[in-house]
Amino acid sequence: GENVEQHPSTLSVQEGDSAVIKCTYSDSASNYFPWYKQELGKRPQLIIDIRSNVGEKKDQRIAVTLNKTAKHFSLHITETQPEDSAVYFCAPRDNQGGKLIFGQGTELSVKP
Amino acid sequence: GAGVSQSPSNKVTEKGKDVELRCDPISGHTALYWYRQSLGQGLEFLIYFQGNSAPDKSGLPSDRFSAERTGGSVSTLTIQRTQQEDSAVYLCASSLIGSFAGYTFGSGTRLTVV
Repeated sequence: GENVEQHPSTLSVQEGDSAVIKCTYSDSASNYFPWYKQELGKRPQLIIDIRSNVGEKKDQRIAVTLNKTAKHFSLHITETQPEDSAVYFCAPRDNQGGKLIFGQGTELSVKP
Repeated sequence: GAGVSQSPSNKVTEKGKDVELRCDPISGHTALYWYRQSLGQGLEFLIYFQGNSAPDKSGLPSDRFSAERTGGSVSTLTIQRTQQEDSAVYLCASSLIGSFAGYTFGSGTRLTVV
């Protein structure tokens, strides 16, 4: 099955700085790579995703980059704001095209 | 419906009792998933229903856990003889079928076994 690792587990940045979270996966057949944001006490929400035939995707202050050869993808948040504080999960889809396998999560804290 | 609906939102039960958790997916979403999230932890996959195919039960932690999906819509997760380690938030999600379909999560059921 798919093994997913996320780093770092916690990340603290000053408002306005950039934050990068990295996710490594084991299944070379995975072809869909989303990131979810979970605020305290709330449900996870999809914030950005990328398909295997694309190397980078941007949406305003967030971006995802994919390196299929090295089997890792990263979430980049620029100009961080306090409302970006949350737990972020990567969740590559397994090789059966079915379920998402979630990483352990990264707790991002943005200090004003 | 407009979103994924889960009930109850909170459930406190005594050890040894059975519980049923309900999930009503987004209309038209043929894939439905159950995950479990313990306090401060990640999301642990439990079971996945895809259309009329046999469900992927590979994440169910023991035979005390079972789930069904009736009529391709509403799903019920049943935990028999609950134990304290079953305490967690149980999240349901639904999606369209397809390799590039993202999930929409419900707000979860917080289960506390005392």
